[in-house]
Amino acid sequence: EVQLVESGGGLVKPGGSLKLSCAASGFAFSDAWMTWVRQAPGKGLEWVGRIKTTRDGGTTDYAAFVKGRFSISRDDSKNMLYLQMNSLKTEDTAVYFCGEGGGLNHWGHGTLVSVSS
Amino acid sequence: QTVVTQEPSLTVSPGGTVTLTCASSTGPVTSGYYPNWFQQKPGQAPRALIYDTDNKHSWTPVRFSGSLLGGKAALTLSGVLPEDEADYYCLLYYADTRTRVFGGGTELTVL
Repeated sequence: EVQLVESGGGLVKPGGSLKLSCAASGFAFSDAWMTWVRQAPGKGLEWVGRIKTTRDGGTTDYAAFVKGRFSISRDDSKNMLYLQMNSLKTEDTAVYFCGEGGGLNHWGHGTLVSVSS
Repeated sequence: QTVVTQEPSLTVSPGGTVTLTCASSTGPVTSGYYPNWFQQKPGQAPRALIYDTDNKHSWTPVRFSGSLLGGKAALTLSGVLPEDEADYYCLLYYADTRTRVFGGGTELTVL
């Protein structure tokens, strides 16, 4: 059974940083592109970015609103996906989901990030 | 900035049929946008329903189908059940930027 478990969310001040983690199990993590998506309270889904497999170069692509503030990485030896978020803004407040595949075949339950002074 | 547009809300009667659509501000949606569809119920994570326009996951109920319709991606629910009441989101791939964009979502009411 595919399982994705996000962690690392919490309350952070504007301008601060936070690193989210996503623990993956139940599938060949090293063979999977992985994606981050967020959802602000009461709002729709927003694609954040994606990382390809290491074999495909580990290339990352991001939504325009990220503007160099966020960085996705992976550790295939630990089946872990990460989202480093810097220069956080109040509008980054959201539940952050990790997903398996570019097409998000499976989703985690999400972790809440609150950016507030 | 690319915008993906869905109907904000739709209402369907139990047992009825409803089609949700997904349009791109860049022009007609084709198979090259690899449309995906997701269902999200309150308090839950989204669940994938359709990938690459019209392919179902192993868990996708038969009553859900994906297609291209009039320059848009479409999700059709046939024989709607009360449990289908949820928010539905489409996701499109943009090859020029190698990014994906979600539609704003459709709130489907079964009444």
